[in-house]
Amino acid sequence: GENVEQHPSTLSVQEGDSAVIKCTYSDSASNYFPWYKQELGKGPQLIIDIRSNVGEKKDQRIAVTLNKTAKHFSLHITETQPEDSAVYFCAAQKGSGTYKYIFGTGTRLKVLA
Amino acid sequence: EPEVTQTPSHQVTQMGQEVILRCVPISNHLYFYWYRQILGQKVEFLVSFYNNEISEKSEIFDDQFSVERPDGSNFTLKIRSTKLEDSAMYFCASSFWTVNTGELFFGEGSRLTVL
Repeated sequence: GENVEQHPSTLSVQEGDSAVIKCTYSDSASNYFPWYKQELGKGPQLIIDIRSNVGEKKDQRIAVTLNKTAKHFSLHITETQPEDSAVYFCAAQKGSGTYKYIFGTGTRLKVLA
Repeated sequence: EPEVTQTPSHQVTQMGQEVILRCVPISNHLYFYWYRQILGQKVEFLVSFYNNEISEKSEIFDDQFSVERPDGSNFTLKIRSTKLEDSAMYFCASSFWTVNTGELFFGEGSRLTVL
């Protein structure tokens, strides 16, 4: 069935270092991959997304890469700051016939000052 | 900035009781969703709603669950007879168009505790 695996479950980095979170999806029909950041007590907020016709997308310190052949996509955060500390979720969605996201299990990122 | 608002933020109920969770989506959005997150687990899709009817639902969304949009602003999730395993954070979300062309905006969630 549809599944999204996400690793690692927790990640601690020193301020200024880079953080990488990886996801693998099972449904080859998936063509939209958003990343959400969830701060304590708040709902998930979209930080970046990528569609299957693109291999990489960057927005300031955040970038996402997609390997459709391997069904992998990754979130890269450079020059991490304490305010980057949160839980990050990847998700995958099929392009037609469904409106649902399949979420990964989340990564708790801690940026140590 | 427009936002999705949810009430209550936390509800405690006895097993077997009915619960209604309320959401006010962003005003010009057309698609509405409920997701849930059991503590420590992933966010799971429950149901999507468009044009006053359910457009898709998951296997979690059984006969105990229902949704409605009783007026032009509210979107509600009703659980008829709560079970212990319904304890979770429930997120409402909305989007302007389909998720292919529009970002999904989430509310801050309603935590449901069933005793």
